Amino acid sequence: KQEVTQIPAALSVPEGENLVLNCSFTDSAIYNLQWFRQDPGKGLTSLLLIQSSQREQTSGRLNASLDKSSGRSTLYIAASQPGDSATYLCAVSGNQGGKLIFGQGTELSVKP
Amino acid sequence: NAGVTQTPKFQVLKTGQSMTLQCAQDMNHEYMSWYRQDPGMGLRLIHYSVGAGITDQGEVPNGYNVSRSTTEDFPLRLLSAAPSQTSVYFCASSYSGINQPQHFGDGTRLSIL
Repeated sequence: KQEVTQIPAALSVPEGENLVLNCSFTDSAIYNLQWFRQDPGKGLTSLLLIQSSQREQTSGRLNASLDKSSGRSTLYIAASQPGDSATYLCAVSGNQGGKLIFGQGTELSVKP
Repeated sequence: NAGVTQTPKFQVLKTGQSMTLQCAQDMNHEYMSWYRQDPGMGLRLIHYSVGAGITDQGEVPNGYNVSRSTTEDFPLRLLSAAPSQTSVYFCASSYSGINQPQHFGDGTRLSIL
């Protein structure tokens, strides 16, 4: 059974710092991995989607990498800003039918 | 362009009552799904649909029914509400499946007393 883990559960950094969020999964037979952002009281916003054949995806200050063999993905945020404060979730799709399996998220706080 | 719209935003029910959570999207997406989000449990898939007339179960389908009569709408029905169904419910959609970016609604916060 696929399990997705995100460590740490919470992270606080000063503004301007570069940071890395981690996501690990137990079954390497995935089709893709997605990173989402969730603001308090809101739904999820898709940030990046990496297909299983890809190694990384970039969007602005965000860069996500994927290492299927080790069951890991990282989300790199450059030059963090207070507006980046949110919960970041990763999710994988694979041999579980039409479903995404989510991690529990990392709550990020960027202090001015 | 409204995206994914969920109604109501908040609801309080008594144990045993039934209700329908509404979800509508205006992006002509074929794939729609329902998740519940609980502290310490993350998001878990309840039901999903790959197109009008086609639905399937997710991880936690018990106590919930769905139907998909149109491409736009995917309502979630609670048959007899139980306190364990207190949660935040999210509807999501994508063009054709889970291998594409998912678009989420803002959720329905449901309390069962």
